[in-house]
Amino acid sequence: DTGVSQDPRHKITKRGQNVTFRCDPISEHNRLYWYRQTLGQGPEFLTYFQNEAQLEKSRLLSDRFSAERPKGSFSTLEIQRTEQGDSAMYLCASSVTGTDNEQFFGPGTRLTVL
Amino acid sequence: KNEVEQSPQNLTAQEGEFITINCSYSVGISALHWLQQHPGGGIVSLFMLSSGKKKHGRLIATINIQEKHSSLHITASHPRDSAVYICASSAGNQFYFGTGTSLTVIP
Repeated sequence: DTGVSQDPRHKITKRGQNVTFRCDPISEHNRLYWYRQTLGQGPEFLTYFQNEAQLEKSRLLSDRFSAERPKGSFSTLEIQRTEQGDSAMYLCASSVTGTDNEQFFGPGTRLTVL
Repeated sequence: KNEVEQSPQNLTAQEGEFITINCSYSVGISALHWLQQHPGGGIVSLFMLSSGKKKHGRLIATINIQEKHSSLHITASHPRDSAVYICASSAGNQFYFGTGTSLTVIP
């Protein structure tokens, strides 16, 4: 497999539950990005990692959201106490180090909070 | 924050038509990206450019840095080109995305 993978592809949960998504980047890519996309909108930046270090977080990433990349390979995004407004497509992308390098996107995880 | 605006929001074309999608951004950038998103969510990077023009098959992307404007052209459009085309600007490590242009090419 040479692409970015995300798991699960779809998640339906009840309001108040916690959910965790996983992203596996392309193996030689040391940068990993998380985005959120709602219907009819472009992706919105959430956070990014260089290796295991989380270097930047958007204001969109409230304290209910946490992201990790413990070994500099795969990353997880956890949402605690989900709200209906969290329903969106969560996209992961990876790239090699360097400004403005092309990002390769995963298929996304679609979250529906009931 | 860099505002990225695209036009049109929706576009329907007959197969074979020449298509242009426009993108403007508000502040200086390092690069401009054109992405394609098919139903189901998968995003593919089409172009990354910081000046001039790039061509790949039937797709052409241009950028005018002074005017803060970029265009994506599709020649001889085909129904398989139907997708959402997203423009994104990057400045350092931050990416700012437009809301996308939904293209439908009718046979």
